[in-house]
Amino acid sequence: DQQVKQNSPSLSVQEGRISILNCDYTNSMFDYFLWYKKYPAEGPTFLISISSIKDKNEDGRFTVFLNKSAKHLSLHIVPSQPGDSAVYFCAAKESGYGQNFVFGPGTRLSVLP
Amino acid sequence: DSGVTQTPKHLITATGQRVTLRCSPRSGDLSVYWYQQSLDQGLQFLIQYYNGEERAKGNILERFSAQQFPDLHSELNLSSLELGDSALYFCASSGRTDEITDTQYFGPGTRLTVL
Repeated sequence: DQQVKQNSPSLSVQEGRISILNCDYTNSMFDYFLWYKKYPAEGPTFLISISSIKDKNEDGRFTVFLNKSAKHLSLHIVPSQPGDSAVYFCAAKESGYGQNFVFGPGTRLSVLP
Repeated sequence: DSGVTQTPKHLITATGQRVTLRCSPRSGDLSVYWYQQSLDQGLQFLIQYYNGEERAKGNILERFSAQQFPDLHSELNLSSLELGDSALYFCASSGRTDEITDTQYFGPGTRLTVL
């Protein structure tokens, strides 16, 4: 049973427009969330994080929104650039000794010039 | 470049064989994590070591084992290999401290193909 879901395997967006990537989770104990970006033939790289005490975190063109009651988070990229084309993974973790991140299956974003 | 190195980059072997994947964490990082990514699937957490000791275990098969050495590099041993073990294996490191907010830095991965 997947605890972290990314229901859109792929997404295409025009350059300059907003990209919205969604992530849902089932474990209400998760209290820290991250987004990773992955290019082909490379390992995932950290993008942005949010803890459960916040509902929004912004870093440049990237904003993550957290809706705890809906167990939903989203990543907004504005404006989208062709270099943003990659696979985006959502990951979640609960605090406590021995806990580790649970990753979603990823969404492939294509930003079209 | 994340600072995490993994060797080898590619590995092709036969069913029933045993292989060892190696990971060197970023300088100063105490935690090492191993993940498996099969085709079109997300990253599955296998195991974490922190300063030489096993800290957490995920969906790691009994045929798989890992260790972290005094110099903090880690090895993942996969034995009695099956076709289904073909995957990308990532190592990540974090943490000069062991906190929930530690960002994990991933290596480029080892692609294992079992024929």
